[in-house]
Amino acid sequence: DAGVTQSPTHLIKTRGQHVTLRCSPISGHKSVSWYQQVLGQGPQFIFQYYEKEERGRGNFPDRFSARQFPNYSSELNVNALLLGDSALYLCASSWSIGGYTFGSGTRLTVV
Amino acid sequence: GQQLNQSPQSMFIQEGEDVSMNCTSSSIFNTWLWYKQDPGEGPVLLIALYKAGELTSNGRLTAQFGITRKDSFLNISASIPSDVGIYFCAGQDTGNQFYFGTGTSLTVIP
Repeated sequence: DAGVTQSPTHLIKTRGQHVTLRCSPISGHKSVSWYQQVLGQGPQFIFQYYEKEERGRGNFPDRFSARQFPNYSSELNVNALLLGDSALYLCASSWSIGGYTFGSGTRLTVV
Repeated sequence: GQQLNQSPQSMFIQEGEDVSMNCTSSSIFNTWLWYKQDPGEGPVLLIALYKAGELTSNGRLTAQFGITRKDSFLNISASIPSDVGIYFCAGQDTGNQFYFGTGTSLTVIP
């Protein structure tokens, strides 16, 4: 069985641009969570979705948004990119509220 | 965002030694999780704890959910070289938000 898959694996963007990151959960999992991990730190919670509804939101600006599709895949969107948005973006899925199994992440570099 | 206090920050141990690390929070959590993360990869779940006082093992790993619901510890027995990595605790609060610890970097010397 495929695990949590994220795309792209690496991305380089310029300040001010917009980015969309994608996540496919494990088959049967209905919950997807997004995290930001800056080098040397633990992951920071951004969003949690369950059954296509937002169930949790971390302390991130409105430039960050997400959605979950009927097939339970998810997108994370970040507008007006800043240098400080450079990080590893992780997606996690679970069958219920949670988000316990992580993907390998998308490495975003903003220049 | 909130992060849990995890200690120690780093450990250098001889192969075969036991390891202990812990995590504390000012908030009550409903769930405690322990993850291991290798460079360039996402965290991998090691142990999940759902009840105060719960003690759970996974091979050489043992973790406990503190009675106060504000702490947890992870023990690794008889360490081996592949135990090298960064270990994170994570807690889920009553609002379903997850908070991660600052990480413990483990180095095992053969």
